[in-house]
Amino acid sequence: KNQVEQSPQSLIILEGKNCTLQCNYTVSPFSNLRWYKQDTGRGPVSLTIMTFSENTKSNGRYTATLDADTKQSSLHITASQLSDSASYICVVRYRNNAGNMLTFGGGTRLMVKP
Amino acid sequence: NAGVTQTPKFRILKIGQSMTLQCAQDMNHNYMYWYRQDPGMGLKLIYYSVGAGITDKGEVPNGYNVSRSTTEDFPLRLELAAPSQTSVYFCASSYSAETQYFGPGTRLLVL
Repeated sequence: KNQVEQSPQSLIILEGKNCTLQCNYTVSPFSNLRWYKQDTGRGPVSLTIMTFSENTKSNGRYTATLDADTKQSSLHITASQLSDSASYICVVRYRNNAGNMLTFGGGTRLMVKP
Repeated sequence: NAGVTQTPKFRILKIGQSMTLQCAQDMNHNYMYWYRQDPGMGLKLIYYSVGAGITDKGEVPNGYNVSRSTTEDFPLRLELAAPSQTSVYFCASSYSAETQYFGPGTRLLVL
């Protein structure tokens, strides 16, 4: 079964600290992996997209890594800010007979406290 | 551009009632999607469309219907609302099958 699991489910950190969110997937065949940020009451917004050949990709203070062999990805947030408080969702795209499909993880809810 | 817009923002339905969730985008995107997000869960794809006149079922289509008569609009229809359909509904669009732009969501409560 194609699944995407994220950990931790929730996380509280102090402003200015770093944190790392994990995403493990069993999706196959893999096309790409994307991290979204979802503010409370808003729709998700794309942060990064990674293909099979990419190991690391940065977007400002966000750095995503991908290990396609172990089927793991991480999102590292550096020098956290209060505005980083949100849910972070890992989404994996794969192909099946119906075409391109998406599987969403349950998200990690991050709270940054002053 | 307004991006992806959804109406209403919030709705309460009685069991058995019907309603249409509206979704529109002004980015000339071919692809449009409807997701539902239950509390603490990932988004699940209900229906999607790769262009006007073409719709396909996603992961959880039962109890819903869609139409795509224009590129801009992708309404989601609930014919007989059930408590299990209480959720937040997100519409999204994309130019290709890649980056999706999400609307603000519609919160639906079925009592």
